[in-house]
Amino acid sequence: GAVVSQHPSWVICKSGTSVKIECRSLDFQATTMFWYRQFPKQSLMLMATSNEGSKATYEQGVEKDKFLINHASLTLSTLTVTSAHPEDSSFYICSARDTSGQGYIIQYFGPGTRLLVL
Amino acid sequence: QKEVEQDPGPLSVPEGAIVSLNCTYSNSAFQYFMWYRQYSRKGPELLMYTYSSGNKEDGRFTAQVDKSSKYISLFIRDSQPSDSATYLCATQGGSEKLVFGKGTKLTVNP
Repeated sequence: GAVVSQHPSWVICKSGTSVKIECRSLDFQATTMFWYRQFPKQSLMLMATSNEGSKATYEQGVEKDKFLINHASLTLSTLTVTSAHPEDSSFYICSARDTSGQGYIIQYFGPGTRLLVL
Repeated sequence: QKEVEQDPGPLSVPEGAIVSLNCTYSNSAFQYFMWYRQYSRKGPELLMYTYSSGNKEDGRFTAQVDKSSKYISLFIRDSQPSDSATYLCATQGGSEKLVFGKGTKLTVNP
């Protein structure tokens, strides 16, 4: 149980294009999902908290117009990197909380999406 | 002082060794403590979590929390080459957010 998927697993795009990444909780409902960014050999950096049916909460320094988050259902959150530039190249990882069980506060992570902007 | 401190290593051990991974934290309000394992180019995988103080064992893995000294540990017995990964400690207090250590890179040599 507690499986989170991401799609695509990797994407290469040209500078200026937009890229959408999907995060799905496969066997549980997630009212809250999180989006992280990870640079090589560094720890996870929280970008935003995504709540089903409401606006996402962005961490300080993260441009909300650049990284659009939509959490339209209890099993799906999307992150759209708009007008991507080479500096947006990174490993993007989502996580979801399974609020139904005992470990309701635990976050389960997706496999990540590697984005390369040329 | 950072909220969670973790020695990034790297840590290299021979196969079969007992591995000890540690973190310290500063906020006494933290109640949940987690260990994640992250293989290269993959998302973190939850290994174990504990609530408050005490020990928890799962196979070759033991998680330990000492709230009096704000110290959390993960022990790996009979380490295997497949255990080679980066191990992240994480804690959580009153908010939804996880607070991560920087991660310790472990290599188990056959």
